[in-house]
Amino acid sequence: GAVVSQHPSWVICKSGTSVKIECRSLDFQATTMFWYRQFPKQSLMLMATSNEGSKATYEQGVEKDKFLINHASLTLSTLTVTSAHPEDSSFYICSAREQVTNSPLHFGNGTRLTVT
Amino acid sequence: DAKTTQPTSMDCAEGRAANLPCNHSTISGNEYVYWYRQIHSQGPQYIIHGLKNNETNEMASLIITEDRKSSTLILPHATLRDTAVYYCIVRPNQAGTALIFGKGTTLSVSS
Repeated sequence: GAVVSQHPSWVICKSGTSVKIECRSLDFQATTMFWYRQFPKQSLMLMATSNEGSKATYEQGVEKDKFLINHASLTLSTLTVTSAHPEDSSFYICSAREQVTNSPLHFGNGTRLTVT
Repeated sequence: DAKTTQPTSMDCAEGRAANLPCNHSTISGNEYVYWYRQIHSQGPQYIIHGLKNNETNEMASLIITEDRKSSTLILPHATLRDTAVYYCIVRPNQAGTALIFGKGTTLSVSS
């Protein structure tokens, strides 16, 4: 089945630094990928839609200059958390769907970001 | 998008069937019913989805009522590893369409 891989699975960084998270579709191509964020004891919240070759679409309340998304190829999207602060500490999850009729969305295993 | 209503939590004995209900009374004709689950500190795992017919795969069965206003996910023989948060989501199956997660049902399977 379709596999979505995220890297790293966890990262600790200091306040003010930037962190890049990679999302790859391993055995299929994805023109669109989605980034979610999940705080403890809460559900997943959609942050943005990543479009290959064009600008990402951000959900209301998500700062596009803080969460930089690059979808440079059909198998890779990256999320960069710039000038991270402790309140950015969260579980970040990406997802993608095969370009096949009736294919479901598949999720990566998430990246746990801790900003100290 | 159609909203879904799920019980906050359910318990199930190991080996028994787990029947997880979901109400989606405002579902539109082009919206599918999706079920995912999330085990602690992992990404959501796809379980099954359907439009109007009942569906079955190696993980579970999905029963959708004839009026499509509700559905039930059935795990036929629950194991301890099925303990997770289960999400029922209704959404069109289109390439550029994300899934919007509600609070889901926390299923606890005990021996």
